[in-house]
This record gives sequence, C-alpha cells and structure tokens, in this order.
Amino acid sequence: GAVVSQHPSWVICKSGTSVKIECRSLDFQATTMFWYRQFPKQSLMLMATSNEGSKATYEQGVEKDKFLINHASLTLSTLTVTSAHPEDSSFYICSARDRGGINEQFFGPGTRLTVL
Amino acid sequence: SQQGEEDPQALSIQEGENATMNCSYKTSINNLQWYRQNSGRGLVHLILIRSNEREKHSGRLRVTLDTSKKSSSLLITASRAADTASYFCATAESGYSTLTFGKGTMLLVSP
Repeated sequence: GAVVSQHPSWVICKSGTSVKIECRSLDFQATTMFWYRQFPKQSLMLMATSNEGSKATYEQGVEKDKFLINHASLTLSTLTVTSAHPEDSSFYICSARDRGGINEQFFGPGTRLTVL
Repeated sequence: SQQGEEDPQALSIQEGENATMNCSYKTSINNLQWYRQNSGRGLVHLILIRSNEREKHSGRLRVTLDTSKKSSSLLITASRAADTASYFCATAESGYSTLTFGKGTMLLVSP
C-alpha cells in the first residue's frame, strides 16, 4: 500500500524558534498533500491543502504566515511552524493523495510538537 | 466545514463482543471513510463507502451508509484487544477534495 512518512516523529523546542516538519510519499506521487492538527483527545482539524508547485490553501482561522507550507515536489511537502509558542504544541499529521486517487488519503504517522 | 458526530464518544467491551459506532454528518457527500488511530499514532484507512452504496464489508468490518438520514455505522465483529483504538469517520463532500473528520469514538476492548 501507499506509504507516507513524516520527519521528525517528535520535536521539543523553545518558544520563539521555528520548526520544520517533512512529509514524504515514499512509493507514489502525491499531487495533493494535506496538513492536519490534532489536540489531545480531539479530532483532526484540516489546516491547509497543498498542491505541488502552487501556493497552499489554508483553512479559515489558520495563519498562513505562521504555518508555512511548501510543496516543492510530487513527493515532499514541508510545514514550518514559525516562532512557535506553547499553544502550538500539538500532533501534526500530513496526508497525501495519489495522483490517480479519488478521495482516499494516505496518512503519515504524525509529528508530536512540544513547545516549551 | 461541517464536522461529523460520532457516537458513542467512548465504548468499552469484552473481547469477542461486537462493537458498533455511529457517525452523522450534515452535508451532501461523495463518500464516507472510516479510519482508525492508535494512541499517538497516525491514521489507518479502514474502508471507504461511496454515496451510492448502502453497505460494505471488509474482513470483520461492516459499514452501512444511509444518505437519507446522513448517517453511517461501523460494526466490528468478534472484537479483539488489538482493536483498541480511536475510530473516526470522515466525509468527502460533493465537489470538494478535502475530508472532514468526526470527533471519533474511543474503543477499549478488554481481554
């Protein structure tokens, strides 16, 4: 099956620093990748949709200047949390859709971000 | 975006019993999907049911979809301790490519 990886699995950083999270589709080309945030015991909330080679589309209430998304290739998208603060601590999950896929998304294992 | 609602929020059963989770949604959909998430891990896709389908099976999983009631159910038969996880439904609205997730049901299967 299609595999999506994320790196790092977890990261702890100081308040004010920036953190980059990578999402890779390992065995397929992903024209579209999605970034979600999940707080403890809550559901996934879509943050943004990124299409290869174009600007990401952010959901309402998500600050595009704070959460920078780059989808530079068909297998890699990155999410950079800029000037992170403790309230940004969360579980960040990416997913990718196969070029030929209809609606099935393949999810990465997630990245746990803790901002001190 | 409209979020689906799952019920129950949490379910605790014994191994061997069946587990039923329900999901309701608010908009017209293209398809509905069920995912499983072990604690602190990513999501695993379980099953996708299209809007023109009423029932689908995959191993011990049975999913039903009632578009007139805008609801779906996930039945796990002969549950195992390894089925312990959170289960989410997600809807793909007609004309949109994004998924909207429900709040999830936490399932605990005791040996």
